[in-house]
Amino acid sequence: GAGVSQSPRYKVAKRGQDVALRCDPISGHVSLFWYQQALGQGPEFLTYFQNEAQLDKSGLPSDRFFAERPEGSVSTLKIQRTQQEDSAVYLCASSLGSRVYEQYFGPGTRLTVT
Amino acid sequence: AQSVSQHNHHVILSEAASLELGCNYSYGGTVNLFWYVQYPGQHLQLLLKYFSGDPLVKGIKGFEAEFIKSKFSFNLRKPSVQWSDTAEYFCAVNAQAAGNKLTFGGGTRVLVKP
Repeated sequence: GAGVSQSPRYKVAKRGQDVALRCDPISGHVSLFWYQQALGQGPEFLTYFQNEAQLDKSGLPSDRFFAERPEGSVSTLKIQRTQQEDSAVYLCASSLGSRVYEQYFGPGTRLTVT
Repeated sequence: AQSVSQHNHHVILSEAASLELGCNYSYGGTVNLFWYVQYPGQHLQLLLKYFSGDPLVKGIKGFEAEFIKSKFSFNLRKPSVQWSDTAEYFCAVNAQAAGNKLTFGGGTRVLVKP
């Protein structure tokens, strides 16, 4: 596709449930990022992949958050035992290897934990 | 840790008025600078970017931004806004020594009245 796609676009989870959020980056983009955007705030970095290697996971807020990109393309962000404070929009971005910080964003997944 | 500040949370102005949005960052090393825009119901889109060279950068839709290194600022400007410029604007900084992630400001909501 032409841009970054994410699914589902909306997810409602009950507290304690596990969720999995998917990101399809732009074809050919080797770098992939996950960000969390709370209501009324700017996105905050969670983790970064170059191909299948997770090179930076310093932004993951707890060990309940886990991300993978096993074949260097599609990525999944998993949140275990969701809490109300996990409610946010989860954004995926991808970029070329030559300008990794020039990132192109997907539409996001809005997660609501009830 | 690096931080990005956007001074105005909300701006309301009339069509044809000039717009200037402030952005300051707290990092003394080499930086790459970005403005993203999010139109209602749409995803984050890259508006303009600065890597090096001429500190006055021109982007899409008549926007420009000026990098003033001594002031740690990267303000966004448009001489004459249109109703279609109603959106939320985010400043973002990549501090090269801190890796490839972007650090975002809190965003400025701009409402242009017709």
